[in-house]
Amino acid sequence: QSVLTQPPSTSGTPGQRVSISCSGSSSNIGTNTVNWYQQLPGTAPKLLIYSNNQRPSGVPDRFSGSKSGTSASLAISGLQSEDEADYYCAAWDDGLNGVVFGGGTKLTVL
Amino acid sequence: EVQLLESGGGLGQPGGSLRLSCEASGFTFSSYAMTWVRQAPGKGLEWVSAIRGTGSRTYYADSVKGRFTISRDNSKNTVYLEMNTLRAEDTAVYYCAKDRFGYPGDAGFDYWGQGTLVTVSS
Repeated sequence: QSVLTQPPSTSGTPGQRVSISCSGSSSNIGTNTVNWYQQLPGTAPKLLIYSNNQRPSGVPDRFSGSKSGTSASLAISGLQSEDEADYYCAAWDDGLNGVVFGGGTKLTVL
Repeated sequence: EVQLLESGGGLGQPGGSLRLSCEASGFTFSSYAMTWVRQAPGKGLEWVSAIRGTGSRTYYADSVKGRFTISRDNSKNTVYLEMNTLRAEDTAVYYCAKDRFGYPGDAGFDYWGQGTLVTVSS
C-alpha cells in the first residue's frame, strides 16, 4: 500500500481534459512539493512536473500540476494517444526521511 | 547530454549479494544527489536509497535499511548499490536517477537510467 494515494486508472478520449489526483498527509504533500512522472510502456520514468506546477524543458504545456493542502493534481488537456502511460506522484516525507510515491495511475486514451 | 548507465543486475540467490553500478556522464556528478528507485514486475515505483552529492549522507527506505548500502565515487562518476541478504521481494528493475539538487529532497529526479533487472530466486 502506497503512502500517496492515486486512482488506479482513468481514461479519456482524444482532445478531452483529464485529471489525476494524489492524496497524502502533513508529513509529505502538506509540507513538501510534489513531482509527477510519466512512464510510457516499457520505458524508464520521465519527470513531467516538479515543484508542484513547474514543467521541465520539453514538456508540453498541455500538462499542468497543482497542490492544495495535502493533495495534488495533474491535469492533461487536449489528450493525445501518445499520452497513454502510467503517471506517478511523488513527494519527500519528513517522517520517513525519504521519497514516497503514489501507486500510479494508468491513463487509457480511448 | 546526460546519460546514466546501470549495470550489475542479474540472478541473485536468496540471502546472497549483488552490486549495482550506475555510471553518469554529461553533468558535474559531484554537484548532485543520486537515487535508486525500483519497480517490481507489474508494480509501481518504490524509492530505495539516496546519497548526497558530496557522499556525506545516505538515506534508505525501511524495506532495505540494514541490507543495502549506497555509495559513490565522484572520481569515477559512479554510484553504487550494494545489496546484501537478498530476498525474493527485492526482485525488480532498479533505476538510477539524478536529483535536481545536491541533496535528496522534494526537488525531483530529472534524469533516469534505463534500469537493470535484479531477480532473486534459487
